[in-house]
Amino acid sequence: GAVVSQHPSRVICKSGTSVKIECRSLDFQATTMFWYRQFPKKSLMLMATSNEGSKATYEQGVEKDKFLINHASLTLSTLTVTSAHPEDSSFYICSARDPGQLAYNEQFFGPGTRLTVL
Amino acid sequence: DAKTTQPPSMDCAEGRAANLPCNHSTISGNEYVYWYRQIHSQGPQYIIHGLKNNETNEMASLIITEDRKSSTLILPHATLRDTAVYYCIVRSQSNTGNQFYFGTGTSLTVIP
Repeated sequence: GAVVSQHPSRVICKSGTSVKIECRSLDFQATTMFWYRQFPKKSLMLMATSNEGSKATYEQGVEKDKFLINHASLTLSTLTVTSAHPEDSSFYICSARDPGQLAYNEQFFGPGTRLTVL
Repeated sequence: DAKTTQPPSMDCAEGRAANLPCNHSTISGNEYVYWYRQIHSQGPQYIIHGLKNNETNEMASLIITEDRKSSTLILPHATLRDTAVYYCIVRSQSNTGNQFYFGTGTSLTVIP
């Protein structure tokens, strides 16, 4: 199957700073990527849908100015958590669609990024 | 919003079949059922998906009821490495990208 990577795998930052998380599709071009967050012992919550070359579509209740998403190329989407606070500490996971495998498995997930805000 | 309900937890003896149920009574005619699993602190892993017919691959079998209101994921010979949270997802159709809305999942523990 297709491979999706995330960088960094874990990050610790001070409150008030901004953190950028990268999501890359390594062997396919992803026109659409998705960002999720997951709190301990909870399920994945979809935050936004990222479409290459256009603005991201955010789920209800997700602050677009807080979580900046950029999908500038077919293999890279970035999530920037601006002015991070301890309550933003979470596991952030991205996934990507492979248009060439619509009949098989549309979303491939990255390994996740553990963000800890002190 | 998630359109599925699953039992929160299940146990299964190693070597036995694990049968994980999922209810999706409001599924639409063109919506697929997907199953993913997540091992602790990793990204979800695809298992199988289906629309109407039963499906089988090297990992599992998916049995979908005729009315499509429920399905069962079957791991034929569970191993300790199958211990994970299993998510049943009804793929939403939309113009913005066919989103996945995860429910609470079933935490499967395979017991030696």
